[in-house]
Amino acid sequence: DTAVSQTPKYLVTQMGNDKSIKCEQNLGHDTMYWYKQDSKKFLKIMFSYNNKELIINETVPNRFSPKSPDKAHLNLHINSLELGDSAVYFCASSQDSTNYNEQFFGPGTRLTVL
Amino acid sequence: AQSVTQLGSHVSVSEGALVLLRCNYSSSVPPYLFWYVQYPNQGLQLLLKYTTGATLVKGINGFEAEFKKSETSFHLTKPSAHMSDAAEYFCAVTPRSNDYKLSFGAGTTVTVRA
Repeated sequence: DTAVSQTPKYLVTQMGNDKSIKCEQNLGHDTMYWYKQDSKKFLKIMFSYNNKELIINETVPNRFSPKSPDKAHLNLHINSLELGDSAVYFCASSQDSTNYNEQFFGPGTRLTVL
Repeated sequence: AQSVTQLGSHVSVSEGALVLLRCNYSSSVPPYLFWYVQYPNQGLQLLLKYTTGATLVKGINGFEAEFKKSETSFHLTKPSAHMSDAAEYFCAVTPRSNDYKLSFGAGTTVTVRA
């Protein structure tokens, strides 16, 4: 009964490829997020969707495109992968009913671009 | 914009000793405050949060944190470290304006010596 799940857990690919990471939450939350954690473990928000609508879109290359088919899913598609995209990507979700938006995180997807 | 500073990127303590991790925020209006823990190769888990009310907050695994408005701080403590506390700890803030953005500090790596 995993709350926030991501697939795959590990992703190794060549430069120039296109890849997707999937995220699903079974918490009934309204908002979902994608974060990038770099090699120094710094975490930065990339995108956020609220009820399938994009609400946060930080300065991220347009090779990254989030897609939310429904409230429970937020996928991340990356085109033309570059070496600098290597990182751990975390999905998270939160419930709108609390002002403080406590976020619940998935286990992460470690992306390695060769 | 919210800013979070964690003093000390690495903290090493002996088993049974006090753990003290420092976090300061920079905003004129106190934000909502969180501490997350990340165990090796895992996602982030919420340790505790401060939203309102009592300024001393107790969390999981024996951790607690105290919100001090005058010092713009939210330091995390545990009286007696256990080997299982070895992990990465992140302080995070989100503004009370509910803009969904969670800003993280750079993280503090805790190692516990036997």
